[in-house]
Amino acid sequence: QKEVEQDPGPLSVPEGAIVSLNCTYSNSAFQYFMWYRQYSRKGPELLMYTYSSGNKEDGRFTAQVDKSSKYISLFIRDSQPSDSATYLCAMTGGYQKVTFGIGTKLQVIP
Amino acid sequence: DAGVTQSPTHLIKTRGQQVTLRCSPKSGHDTVSWYQQALGQGPQFIFQYYEEEERQRGNFPDRFSGHQFPNYSSELNVNALLLGDSALYLCASSYRTGNEQYFGPGTRLTVT
Repeated sequence: QKEVEQDPGPLSVPEGAIVSLNCTYSNSAFQYFMWYRQYSRKGPELLMYTYSSGNKEDGRFTAQVDKSSKYISLFIRDSQPSDSATYLCAMTGGYQKVTFGIGTKLQVIP
Repeated sequence: DAGVTQSPTHLIKTRGQQVTLRCSPKSGHDTVSWYQQALGQGPQFIFQYYEEEERQRGNFPDRFSGHQFPNYSSELNVNALLLGDSALYLCASSYRTGNEQYFGPGTRLTVT
C-alpha cells in the first residue's frame, strides 16, 4: 500500500463548476499537508499549505484536512480553463521528507 | 524576487555516463531538496541539503549524490546512468529545512 493515494483521473468539468480533489494517506505521523499545481512540463507550484486538521481558504481554493479519517481535499470554486493542470497532494511529518501523491489531471472545459 | 532556478533545462546522455544538475534556491532560502519525477508520477524525494550537509535521503542508490555550496546553491550528480534515470529532476528550496517548499522548473534528463 502506498503512503499517499490519489486518483490520477483525468477529471473533466465544465467551466464554472466546483472541483473536488482528494487524497488519502496511511501514515499517522503526517501533520503538514500541501497542494501543488503542475502545468505540463513545468515545476510544481505551491497552492495551499496547512497544518493538522481544519480548513484553509485562499481565493477560489479551499483545503480541508481530516486527520481522523486520514483524508485531505482541495476544492476549487468557479473553475476556469486556466485551472487545467495536474494537482499534486503532498504531506510530511515535519522536517522530514515530503511524500507526494501521483497527481490528478484536471481539465476545465470552456 | 528570484525564484528557484535550475540548469540545464534539457539534457540528453548515454547509458553509463555521468551527469551534473544545478540549482539555485529562492532568495532567503537555505535548504535544497531534490526530487525525481517520472512521466505520469508524483515527485519522489532523493535527498535534502542544509548547512552543506545531506540531512535526509530517500530510497535512491549511491549513484545519486549531491553537494551544497556556501551560497546555498546545490548540485545533483548521477553516475553510471541507466535508461530508468530518464525523468524530470526537480529542485525545491525552503527555509531551515521547512516543509513549505518552492520548486524550480526542473531539468528534463533523457538517457539513451
